[in-house]
Amino acid sequence: SQQGEEDPQALSIQEGENATMNCSYKTSINNLQWYRQNSGRGLVHLILIRSNEREKHSGRLRVTLDTSKKSSSLLITASRAADTASYFCATDSAGGTSYGKLTFGQGTILTVHP
Amino acid sequence: DADVTQTPRNRITKTGKRIMLECSQTKGHDRMYWYRQDPGLGLRLIYYSFDVKDINKGEISDGYSVSRQAQAKFSLSLESAIPNQTALYFCATSGQGRRTDTQYFGPGTRLTVL
Repeated sequence: SQQGEEDPQALSIQEGENATMNCSYKTSINNLQWYRQNSGRGLVHLILIRSNEREKHSGRLRVTLDTSKKSSSLLITASRAADTASYFCATDSAGGTSYGKLTFGQGTILTVHP
Repeated sequence: DADVTQTPRNRITKTGKRIMLECSQTKGHDRMYWYRQDPGLGLRLIYYSFDVKDINKGEISDGYSVSRQAQAKFSLSLESAIPNQTALYFCATSGQGRRTDTQYFGPGTRLTVL
């Protein structure tokens, strides 16, 4: 079963606009990560936010985490055509034998038009 | 040179054939993972290994087996391939410790079973 569910499934914007993607999950987590995938290629790690953190920044990326709502958002500011890709959230569930296992959402396909 | 490599990159085979996908890493990581990705879906975990002597089933292990030949090598086998195993397969690695680390992905193997 998918732990993370992402919204929207697809997002189309113009260069320079901001893009926001959301991720919801079901169980308590140790951390939540965002990955990017260019068409048919391997995933690349973007950012990790731990369960005791609320916000994190990396360049044009801003990630928020609300553990009470079991949700996270990824904001890409001033988007570029090169940001066109699929974006996945992945959760590391807390407790038990789950350490070291990530559960991925279905992803958001972002298209940035020049 | 890439840190995580997968061979072959593309493979077309017939139903009933045995197939092995190989993964090698130079990152010195203990943990290795095999995922499959189907169109429009996120990644689903097939098997994972936290060290050479520790191998665990993931979400969708039926029809697959693995071998951890060394710290740096983790192979995935399809004993008798079937068409619904047509997918994109990714190997990933991560570091040590109790908390999940960032996962580093290989470029993927596109497998088609006719």
